[in-house]
Amino acid sequence: EVQLLESGGGLVQPGGSLRLSCAASGFTFSNYAMSWVRQAPGKGLEWVSGISGSGGTTYYVDSVKGRITISRDNSKNTLYLQVNSLRAEDTAVYYCAKVLVLLSQFWYFDLWGRGTLVTVSS
Amino acid sequence: DIQMTQSPSSLSASVGDRVTITCRASQGISNYLAWYQQKPGKVPNLLIYAASTLQSGVPSRFSGSGSGTDFTLTISSLQPEDVATYYCQKYNSVPPTFGGGTKVEIK
Repeated sequence: EVQLLESGGGLVQPGGSLRLSCAASGFTFSNYAMSWVRQAPGKGLEWVSGISGSGGTTYYVDSVKGRITISRDNSKNTLYLQVNSLRAEDTAVYYCAKVLVLLSQFWYFDLWGRGTLVTVSS
Repeated sequence: DIQMTQSPSSLSASVGDRVTITCRASQGISNYLAWYQQKPGKVPNLLIYAASTLQSGVPSRFSGSGSGTDFTLTISSLQPEDVATYYCQKYNSVPPTFGGGTKVEIK
């Protein structure tokens, strides 16, 4: 079955760190660019970061640059997001998402995980 | 960065009505525009890409049009299962920005 499964979310204090993971299955993971998209409670979608299929190129939204690192391990079919210096405004469900087009970096997504909730609060 | 503005932010329509949602880009994006549907409590689902190409498995009552800065998503005959929030997204450059969403309800 083609699916993405996120993990690693939870309650963290302001200033803390988390590492989110996304396990992929059912497709050739290394052939597809991947992204993290977040959604604050009751709010819209916000693209956070993307990575090429090889992992050699990464992209970030300006609001998180310097605090977030995206990476992938194609041998483990797993995508990661390291989030540091967490702030209350980082509270959101974090989705991993797969681009539709093979070997492309057109950042629209045909497969989404169920998401993992990150809550930043003291 | 290019901003995406959707209108209206919410709408209420009757079953069988034709529903149109508009998305405007702050700069031209050619046809690099996707639409998603997010039902309550669910993950987003890709409906349309390249402004007008229907994703596999999406009902034909959904259609998209537009190019440059102005785009529309049309539901030709609203069904109860279409209750959801709809998002546009431009993807011609990073960041691939989403619109603010349009919540569709049944009257």
